[in-house]
Amino acid sequence: SYEVTQPPSLSVSPGQTASITCSGYKLGEKFACWYQQKPGQSPVLVIFQDTKRPSGIPERFSGSNSGNTATLTISGTQVMDEADYYCQAWDSSAAVFGGGTKLTVL
Amino acid sequence: EVQLVQSGAEMKKPGESLKISCQGSGYTFTNYWIGWVRQMPGKGLQWMGIIYPGDSDTKYSPSFQGQVTISVDKSISTAYLQWSSLKAADTAMYYCARLVSKALAGPFDSWGQGTLVTVSS
Repeated sequence: SYEVTQPPSLSVSPGQTASITCSGYKLGEKFACWYQQKPGQSPVLVIFQDTKRPSGIPERFSGSNSGNTATLTISGTQVMDEADYYCQAWDSSAAVFGGGTKLTVL
Repeated sequence: EVQLVQSGAEMKKPGESLKISCQGSGYTFTNYWIGWVRQMPGKGLQWMGIIYPGDSDTKYSPSFQGQVTISVDKSISTAYLQWSSLKAADTAMYYCARLVSKALAGPFDSWGQGTLVTVSS
């Protein structure tokens, strides 16, 4: 079955750029999306169709997807962005989530 | 406003059965797939399966096929996830989520608040 892989953790200082990767075989040929999940809360969609932001998501969130890697980039990371981030794609009518990346901002 | 409201937390014993629910509002319930996602304590998101309320077409993750049943009652805009015999390993938070497209593609744009299921003797 198809798998996508994320680094377990990433740490950045406030104001820096955070780049979270999601790797999978020919992932660039699929659409990737990203969810943010803060402790005790449900996931929230932050990027869909590789690069698009839902209404209400700050411009500092952006995405890209090429080759085998999709990337979520948070420019000017803020303390409020500290959360778990999950990538997700579809393969053969099955949704696939990455294992999640814990972003620490300190 | 699109809303998915899930049933409350459950505490069960191993071997018991359980059915949890997810009621949609603020949109045409029959036109959007509803998926179920498991999150075990301290772990990531796992896709369990999905149902199209319009015709009850259902897909399961191979990891959950035969372990759970997904169903829907479109007359009350509610999707269900059920177990016939719970195990301690079923202890988790379960989320329902709406798929944004009619095809099995794209993101889940709205999520329920989650239902915590605890299975313990």
